[in-house]
Amino acid sequence: DAGITQSPRHKVTETGTPVTLRCHQTENHRYMYWYRQDPGHGLRLIHYSYGVKDTDKGEVSDGYSVSRSKTEDFLLTLESATSSQTSVYFCAISGPGRVDGNTIYFGEGSWLTVV
Amino acid sequence: GQQVMQIPQYQHVQEGEDFTTYCNSSTTLSNIQWYKQRPGGHPVFLIQLVKSGEVKKQKRLTFQFGEAKKNSSLHITATQTTDVGTYFCAGPYGGSQGNLIFGKGTKLSVKP
Repeated sequence: DAGITQSPRHKVTETGTPVTLRCHQTENHRYMYWYRQDPGHGLRLIHYSYGVKDTDKGEVSDGYSVSRSKTEDFLLTLESATSSQTSVYFCAISGPGRVDGNTIYFGEGSWLTVV
Repeated sequence: GQQVMQIPQYQHVQEGEDFTTYCNSSTTLSNIQWYKQRPGGHPVFLIQLVKSGEVKKQKRLTFQFGEAKKNSSLHITATQTTDVGTYFCAGPYGGSQGNLIFGKGTKLSVKP
């Protein structure tokens, strides 16, 4: 594995509460991404970062915000969780770094259930 | 908008049979990538194709990139139970190499 740690791995939360998922990498990769995976929709990009404090929206960014204050950490926040945000969230990394720059690596995923 | 379509959605095969999944993009791609996801796991990078008409092999897996760089295929010869999982193709979306648009995947099950 490419040194990606997601936390928490599993979480159950109530509708309307804020939730933060953390992605931590040890490979000094420039690019980091958050995807969600849902049955029938595949993998969809939420937000991505191309450097510290440089982030941009992906395909399904509504209801989500991100922050990257350090190269190694990329946080995904659900401001007010809704049941439609129940999903598996994957962090991914790519770009120049100690690992092959042409390869995209995914973390092991965070299972979020909003009740 | 840009779309990547993958067929079939599901494929059930007997162990030893061949398997093929097809990927079609609505736009020309600079490259295409393939990933495998085991049940309960995370997507794992298999390969990237860059050149028009490119063919690459990994043991029993053969990957092709179409001449127009809008379609691709993954062929598995003589499937094994270890091939079970979902196979995704993905193409670049936007400027970042990791900004990928994924097909919805082909879920392969193999009956021993």
